[in-house]
Amino acid sequence: SQQGEEDPQALSIQEGENATMNCSYKTSINNLQWYRQNSGRGLVHLILIRSNEREKHSGRLRVTLDTSKKSSSLLITASRAADTASYFCATAGTGGFKTIFGAGTRLFVKA
Amino acid sequence: EADIYQTPRYLVIGTGKKITLECSQTMGHDKMYWYQQDPGMELHLIHYSYGVNSTEKGDLSSESTVSRIRTEHFPLTLESARPSHTSQYLCASSEPREGLRSPLHFGNGTRLTVT
Repeated sequence: SQQGEEDPQALSIQEGENATMNCSYKTSINNLQWYRQNSGRGLVHLILIRSNEREKHSGRLRVTLDTSKKSSSLLITASRAADTASYFCATAGTGGFKTIFGAGTRLFVKA
Repeated sequence: EADIYQTPRYLVIGTGKKITLECSQTMGHDKMYWYQQDPGMELHLIHYSYGVNSTEKGDLSSESTVSRIRTEHFPLTLESARPSHTSQYLCASSEPREGLRSPLHFGNGTRLTVT
């Protein structure tokens, strides 16, 4: 079974609003990563948060990690139409080298 | 965008044909991966490699095979394509940072359709 599960599966917002996506996972992790995928393209790495970190920022992105609840959230502030994409969380475990992806949240930002 | 290239971008092929999906990276990364992704769905790891002459099967059973003769090249081969192989195939690589589980750099994928 997959490690990460994103919530919601799909999200539609107006340009300028904030978008929040959540990710839950099952086992101990070394780090958690968020990726973006535009339609028909590969994934692009956005941000990595280590298991000993609680919050991280990168531009309009804010990621939180709660290892006690095995969950993370990605906040995109002041969204733009160009943010329309699928967003995936991925976890790298404490053992092995495999990065496991969730099913993604499809974000649609209306201009 | 990272320097990892996949060809072809799209491939439509008949049942029973042998196909090879190409993946090359110019970053000198030791670790490389193949993921399979159906439209709008999660990614499934089908093969990975720690370096030259090292290949491992991933979590999703696959009838494909891979080879790693050169660091920069990680081709995936299907000996006899079937309609069930229709999917998007994503190649990725990562830096050899021990204990850090580095982010993955992805190619743009090959969308395979088997008729």
